[in-house]
Amino acid sequence: GNSVTQMEGPVTLSEEAFLTINCTYTATGYPSLFWYVQYPGEGLQLLLKATKADDKGSNKGFEATYRKETTSFHLEKGSVQVSDSAVYFCALSGGSGNTPLVFGKGTRLSVIA
Amino acid sequence: GAVVSQHPSWVICKSGTSVKIECRSLDFQATTMFWYRQFPKQSLMLMATSNEGSKATYEQGVEKDKFLINHASLTLSTLTVTSAHPEDSSFYICSAREDGARQGFPGANVLTFGAGSRLTVL
Repeated sequence: GNSVTQMEGPVTLSEEAFLTINCTYTATGYPSLFWYVQYPGEGLQLLLKATKADDKGSNKGFEATYRKETTSFHLEKGSVQVSDSAVYFCALSGGSGNTPLVFGKGTRLSVIA
Repeated sequence: GAVVSQHPSWVICKSGTSVKIECRSLDFQATTMFWYRQFPKQSLMLMATSNEGSKATYEQGVEKDKFLINHASLTLSTLTVTSAHPEDSSFYICSAREDGARQGFPGANVLTFGAGSRLTVL
């Protein structure tokens, strides 16, 4: 079945540091890939997505590239801010309209000033 | 953009009582909605797929008689935790995908999540 593996946290960085959160997946066919963010006490918000190989999703300074050859979708940001502190979830969708998302376990990021 | 409203955002109840959580798609129709449960510091676990006009599909290990799901319309699904116990305390999150989303459409395959409902059973 489909699955997502992402690096375990917590990750603690200083402000303006470079961020990478690794995510790899196992899936049949051609899934869509997502990064969701969950700020303290809130639900999930879509951060970015990519629907086919070599697509790059980007939003709020975050980027992730859909790499089919390495089955990866690593999240990166060049300079993190304290406000980026949250839990980040990598997820995939099998592609049909009724397919739920499969989530990774989440990575907690703490950015300190 | 698509918005999913979830209510209540938090609820405290006594053991043995039932609690209903509503999930509404505010500006789109959703034949299918999904209910997730999140334990502290853990990922989201899919509980069930809610289908408008038919029975929900529950994931293995989820008690259908404990977690009643009713998808009464194309914009509303409800989760009722029956005879709640302290171990049912959790963060419950619903999500929905807009009907008719097609490949290439900006909303294709994007699930919109509600803000979640935190249930505490005393």
